[in-house]
Amino acid sequence: KAGVTQTPRYLIKTRGQQVTLSCSPISGHRSVSWYQQTPGQGLQFLFEYFSETQRNKGNFPGRFSGRQFSNSRSEMNVSTLELGDSALYLCASSGAGTDYGYTFGSGTRLTVV
Amino acid sequence: GQSLEQPSEVTAVEGAIVQINCTYQTSGFYGLSWYQQHDGGAPTFLSYNALDGLEETGRFSSFLSRSDSYGYLLLQELQMKDSASYFCAVRDRDDKIIFGKGTRLHILP
Repeated sequence: KAGVTQTPRYLIKTRGQQVTLSCSPISGHRSVSWYQQTPGQGLQFLFEYFSETQRNKGNFPGRFSGRQFSNSRSEMNVSTLELGDSALYLCASSGAGTDYGYTFGSGTRLTVV
Repeated sequence: GQSLEQPSEVTAVEGAIVQINCTYQTSGFYGLSWYQQHDGGAPTFLSYNALDGLEETGRFSSFLSRSDSYGYLLLQELQMKDSASYFCAVRDRDDKIIFGKGTRLHILP
């Protein structure tokens, strides 16, 4: 079955612009989480959605937002981009039960110039 | 604050055994997971421990001691393809999964 799909794979934006990233989870998975990955910082939790509701939010400024649609697809938006927002943004989906872990997408590599 | 500590780098020889440790300090605990990530790739789920003890999956094993807030990932019969970064992760009381900063495993021929 299809995995987690993230689009676009690569993105270059200018400071001050905004960006929207998309994530399509595995069919049947209703939980979608977003992480920011930068060298030396590991994966930092952004937010998690379940059935269109934000369940959890990490310690990121309000410029980072997200949403989930009725088909479980999710988007995250970053407004007023800063150089420090350059990172790999990973989306992960999970089904019922924590034993199965997360399935990650390949990520969107965002470069802010 | 919440934290997961793991070594930043570990080096081992092909065919040998290596252990990657993880200690955690989180608000609540609902299980320790391990993920593998190759350069340029997505993290992939390896194992999950909810209870104390050892879980074995082929060449990989994972151990948990909740009283010590400690776990480890054991990789046996190392192969060159095992060269990757390994992350431990904890699900906290808010049901968030918090990741460590990762351990880069280098394997020498």
